[in-house]
Amino acid sequence: DAGITQSPRHKVTETGTPVTLRCHQTENHRYMYWYRQDPGHGLRLIHYSYGVKDTDKGEVSDGYSVSRSKTEDFLLTLESATSSQTSVYFCAISGSAVSGNTIYFGEGSWLTVV
Amino acid sequence: RKEVEQDPGPFNVPEGATVAFNCTYSNSASQSFFWYRQDCRKEPKLLMSVYSSGNEDGRFTAQLNRASQYISLLIRDSKLSDSATYLCVVARGANAGKSTFGDGTTLTVKP
Repeated sequence: DAGITQSPRHKVTETGTPVTLRCHQTENHRYMYWYRQDPGHGLRLIHYSYGVKDTDKGEVSDGYSVSRSKTEDFLLTLESATSSQTSVYFCAISGSAVSGNTIYFGEGSWLTVV
Repeated sequence: RKEVEQDPGPFNVPEGATVAFNCTYSNSASQSFFWYRQDCRKEPKLLMSVYSSGNEDGRFTAQLNRASQYISLLIRDSKLSDSATYLCVVARGANAGKSTFGDGTTLTVKP
């Protein structure tokens, strides 16, 4: 157990509404990531963080923003959800003294935009 | 061309069979390599790291060929419970922002 929790685990929302997904870790990993996974595309990096208030874009960042105000929390926000953002979102962590650059994933958040 | 490529399969094998997956990568600066396993509607989980000298964990053997830029995963004596999607991961550094996941190879082990 890598100590990662995601919330909510399942959400249905309407097009145009804002949505925030939360990732919480308990083991002081330096790096945190948000991925989305869709059939035919595999895992794609949305944004990542390398420290408090330090974030950077991944390959599919358009339409998403992130914030990391504390080491343990990494928030992903869809400012105005679209149907193309229907997906499963995985938070991941890496960069502890013990695990090095091994990546550990949360259980996923299933988001449906109708 | 994708930075990390895997044969998507599916591989359908009988119990007890030996099966091998390959994964090729294009960035010669890659430093770390991993195999992950992902069950349907679950998160990916680390199966094993891949070391330069090759490494084994029970029925699983991972190998790295830097010259040809590929990694491999061999599963011996396949079990029904091995049915899953296997993802290879290639990392250029400690930050997974510099890691790339393959799209996965699907394995189904049948009785």
